[in-house]
Amino acid sequence: QVQLVQSGAEVKKPGSSVKVSCKASGGTFSSYAISWVRQAPGQGLEWMGRIIPILGIANYAQKFQGRVTITADKSTSTAYMELSSLRSEDTAVYYCARVAPPSDYLDYWGQGTLVTVSS
Amino acid sequence: DIVMTQTPLSSPVTLGQPASISCRSSQSLVHSDGNTYLSWLQQRPGQPPRLLIYKISNRFSGVPDRFSGSGAGTDFTLKISRVEAEDVGVYYCMQATQFPWTFGQGTKVEIK
Repeated sequence: QVQLVQSGAEVKKPGSSVKVSCKASGGTFSSYAISWVRQAPGQGLEWMGRIIPILGIANYAQKFQGRVTITADKSTSTAYMELSSLRSEDTAVYYCARVAPPSDYLDYWGQGTLVTVSS
Repeated sequence: DIVMTQTPLSSPVTLGQPASISCRSSQSLVHSDGNTYLSWLQQRPGQPPRLLIYKISNRFSGVPDRFSGSGAGTDFTLKISRVEAEDVGVYYCMQATQFPWTFGQGTKVEIK
């Protein structure tokens, strides 16, 4: 079955960067897109962006433009989300989710990666 | 950005009774291809979100038929015909018609 397995929790200093990975199995990686969604403690869901691995094209939420980079490695079926210039407000659980084209719904989710930004 | 507004934000429900959640978008979610990319997700405590419904009314694989979605344009509804204990959690609507994709604030369903 489809599984998305994310990398482990991270603790980062303000101003630094974090890179979270999301390894997919059980499906054809290149046939889908991968989206990243974050959830601050006790808060709702926030869409950050998505990538279409077969095209290498990424779309980002304006809020994160310039700070976030989403990439994908087709050879290892792994997607990455790198967020730079971290601040305390970036403390959140970061999820990857598979996007099922053409209907663009998030059908399978990773387990989440807690990123804590603290001095 | 399209703003998604859910009501209520909290819904205490008696086991076996129905529950209904409304989601309103700030503009029409009808895509230029004619589809409406409105989905519903459930997030149980301590777990990642789980897809329930996509394109307004299509139940995802394995989702019980007590969950149903309806609506059109800017107004959408998720209904649970008979709430069970495992339905406790937060429910989100989400639009993927226009970038950036956006979520509603979430509706917490709890047992009375």
